[in-house]
Amino acid sequence: EDQVTQSPEALRLQEGESSSLNCSYTVSGLRGLFWYRQDPGKGPEFLFTLYSAGEEKEKERLKATLTKKESFLHITAPKPEDSATYLCAVQPRRGANNLFFGTGTRLTVIP
Amino acid sequence: DGGITQSPKYLFRKEGQNVTLSCEQNLNHDAMYWYRQDPGQGLRLIYYSQIVNDFQKGDIAEGYSVSREKKESFPLTVTSAQKNPTAFYLCASGDRDYGYTFGSGTRLTVV
Repeated sequence: EDQVTQSPEALRLQEGESSSLNCSYTVSGLRGLFWYRQDPGKGPEFLFTLYSAGEEKEKERLKATLTKKESFLHITAPKPEDSATYLCAVQPRRGANNLFFGTGTRLTVIP
Repeated sequence: DGGITQSPKYLFRKEGQNVTLSCEQNLNHDAMYWYRQDPGQGLRLIYYSQIVNDFQKGDIAEGYSVSREKKESFPLTVTSAQKNPTAFYLCASGDRDYGYTFGSGTRLTVV
């Protein structure tokens, strides 16, 4: 069964304090792994897609990496505006194009 | 600007009433999706459509119905058979290679 587990559930950081969010997954053939940012009361905003182990992508203070069993979202020197819930999702190779989501990590960056 | 428009933003439903949530996209995507989001749970797939006049049930389709008469539109009806409809509903359209674009969501509350 396809499954996505994100940890920690919540994370509080001081401004400038770097850290990583984890996404562990079990899927019968991975087509892609997606990271989204979601602000309260809004729809998820696309950040990255990773397709194969060893792949890395960066955007401003965020860097996503992928191994065969997990993905990390590294946040370097975060700012208060990075506070949000970060969602991870996997897309299996088989079947339709739908994504399976984790429950997210709620990040709070304190000034 | 291209994107997905969901309406209304807030919706209140009385017991035994059917309600319809609107989703319109101008991204020229073939695939469209409806997800439900509850606190502490990942997004769960309700229905998806990969082409006009065709749609498939997702993981939690009971009590919901959809139609796909136009490429741009994928409305979701929450029927009286859905026993616990209070949730945040998200519509998305997708490109297989570039991930999903989400709307801003509709918050449905039973009164």
